[in-house]
Amino acid sequence: GIQVEQSPPDLILQEGANSTLRCNFSDSVNNLQWFHQNPWGQLINLFYIPSGTKQNGRLSATTVATERYSLLYISSSQTTDSGVYFCAVGGASGTYKYIFGTGTRLKVLA
Amino acid sequence: SQTIHQWPATLVQPVGSPLSLECTVEGTSNPNLYWYRQAAGRGLQLLFYSVGIGQISSEVPQNLSASRPQDRQFILSSKKLLLSDSGFYLCAWRKRGSYGYTFGSGTRLTVV
Repeated sequence: GIQVEQSPPDLILQEGANSTLRCNFSDSVNNLQWFHQNPWGQLINLFYIPSGTKQNGRLSATTVATERYSLLYISSSQTTDSGVYFCAVGGASGTYKYIFGTGTRLKVLA
Repeated sequence: SQTIHQWPATLVQPVGSPLSLECTVEGTSNPNLYWYRQAAGRGLQLLFYSVGIGQISSEVPQNLSASRPQDRQFILSSKKLLLSDSGFYLCAWRKRGSYGYTFGSGTRLTVV
């Protein structure tokens, strides 16, 4: 099956710093999402981005499907950005079964 | 608006006891429904998904089963829990015609 690797596994930032999180996947995918899991376990959908670039406030994401990777950019980080960021990829349409990556644990220090 | 409810939030169960976790979705019809498990705070594993009432697909052989008795209700069950069943269980739904998942708040299960 598809392998999804995320890097770095852990990241510590000072408030206000920028960061780039990477997601590599081993096969072609039709669907890709980025999620943020807060310290209480709630998973929030950040982007649906199978290709191209999207921006939402301080967050943006780029997926280069032909090269099998996606990047999540966080600018001017805040302590509320702390948590785990997951990339999830899916192939076949209809069922939309997503395979989750290993996650990047981010801690933003005040 | 659409909402997803999952309960209980926390559960401590002895080995060998049964399990029933419930997930319901409001404000939509005929959603795709999913059960995931997260162990050790990382990596979600897809356990089951359903595209309609009574239609269940299992992704991983295990000690768990799922059922969908109503359109917007998804239940995760076990007849006899194992220690290895401990984890954070998350239900998710997807609206037909859209691509993104919405997750419930999860159930943290500890088997003792």
